[in-house]
Amino acid sequence: DAGVTQSPTHLIKTRGQQVTLRCSPKSGHDTVSWYQQALGQGPQFIFQYYEEEERQRGNFPDRFSGHQFPNYSSELNVNALLLGDSALYLCASSLAVRGHYGYTFGSGTRLTVV
Amino acid sequence: GEDVEQSLFLSVREGDSSVINCTYTDSSSTYLYWYKQEPGAGLQLLTYIFSNMDMKQDQRLTVLLNKKDKHLSLRIADTQTGDSAIYFCAESIGGTGNQFYFGTGTSLTVIP
Repeated sequence: DAGVTQSPTHLIKTRGQQVTLRCSPKSGHDTVSWYQQALGQGPQFIFQYYEEEERQRGNFPDRFSGHQFPNYSSELNVNALLLGDSALYLCASSLAVRGHYGYTFGSGTRLTVV
Repeated sequence: GEDVEQSLFLSVREGDSSVINCTYTDSSSTYLYWYKQEPGAGLQLLTYIFSNMDMKQDQRLTVLLNKKDKHLSLRIADTQTGDSAIYFCAESIGGTGNQFYFGTGTSLTVIP
């Protein structure tokens, strides 16, 4: 049973460009959350998607947007990239009715902005 | 706010016990968690404790919660080299699991 799958694993972009990161949740999960983990820091909550809608959002600018598809997979989009957006982006999936039980993280996408 | 603080580094000898500490500020935390992150990997849930509990034991892991002081600790008994990793304390508010607040992480090094 595959866990949470994220792609790509590594990515290098130029300042000002746009990037799309992808996440496939664990089988049976319907909720996807995205986190940004800067070097040497703990993960920070970006937003969460459930039933194809953004359910909750952290303190991130509108340059960060997302989408959830009918098959529960999700994308994170970042526009107008800044050097400070360089980080490990983690996706976590869960089953809404079970709350935090079974909350599972992927291995992340390492984004470098140059 | 939801500030979660941890000491940055801890070094122990193999076979000794490790104690990793965390303080948090939000008294409405419902669950508190310990996650492990190995190099190049995502976050692995080690254990969690409900906010009305004082202690939870799970094999080599013991979690202690002092709600009055907003202090959480993780004790790893008989620490092994495979325990070397970064350990994150995290809290969720409201118990829905909607949003986790993480500390900055403690890097544990186990010396053979």
